[in-house]
Amino acid sequence: NAGVTQTPKFQVLKTGQSMTLQCAQDMNHEYMSWYRQDPGMGLRLIHYSVGAGITDQGEVPNGYNVSRSTTEDFPLRLLSAAPSQTSVYFCASGFRGGYTFGSGTRLTVV
Amino acid sequence: TQLLEQSPQFLSIQEGENLTVYCNSSSVFSSLQWYRQEPGEGPVLLVTVVTGGEVKKLKRLTFQFGDARKDSSLHITAAQPGDTGLYLCAGVRMGAQKLVFGQGTRLTINP
Repeated sequence: NAGVTQTPKFQVLKTGQSMTLQCAQDMNHEYMSWYRQDPGMGLRLIHYSVGAGITDQGEVPNGYNVSRSTTEDFPLRLLSAAPSQTSVYFCASGFRGGYTFGSGTRLTVV
Repeated sequence: TQLLEQSPQFLSIQEGENLTVYCNSSSVFSSLQWYRQEPGEGPVLLVTVVTGGEVKKLKRLTFQFGDARKDSSLHITAAQPGDTGLYLCAGVRMGAQKLVFGQGTRLTINP
């Protein structure tokens, strides 16, 4: 099925560890983005990309890196995990008419 | 400060009642979108509105975009337990490219 695929679905990290959350879409969308969702906070934009080779910061970019080498993939890297990064992470792709979201990665940092 | 303010944040009503959820901002948006999210899943797009004053209907759901393109509303008629979920408004500001979200409205419809 066409859509946005996120891996892994669950992850537990120790403080200070690094990891990459993967996101892939097969709809040829130029726009892709990463959000985190915390209780009572809605979705907050971490980073976004408007095409291969182009990325920009969102509302809460600190502690995260992204790159966009292809249209299909948009990985999110946690450089040195902190307990404050415990959250559910969603990747989305789309255009002004609407966005498709992945099913999320639930990350716990201990 | 939230760019998009949703109200109410929580709403619990009885089956068959009507309700309205509001999404307000001081900024002008090129488009506003409404999503619904179930527990453990990503948000799913319900509708996109792009023209000031636009009204769109999706069965018992009516979406409206304000004339000044700064606000939107979601009205549900004769709510059903299946309407229970988190409703999120999101928008792209004029001249910008990123999609930002309101904090959401958690709706519970009691049988």
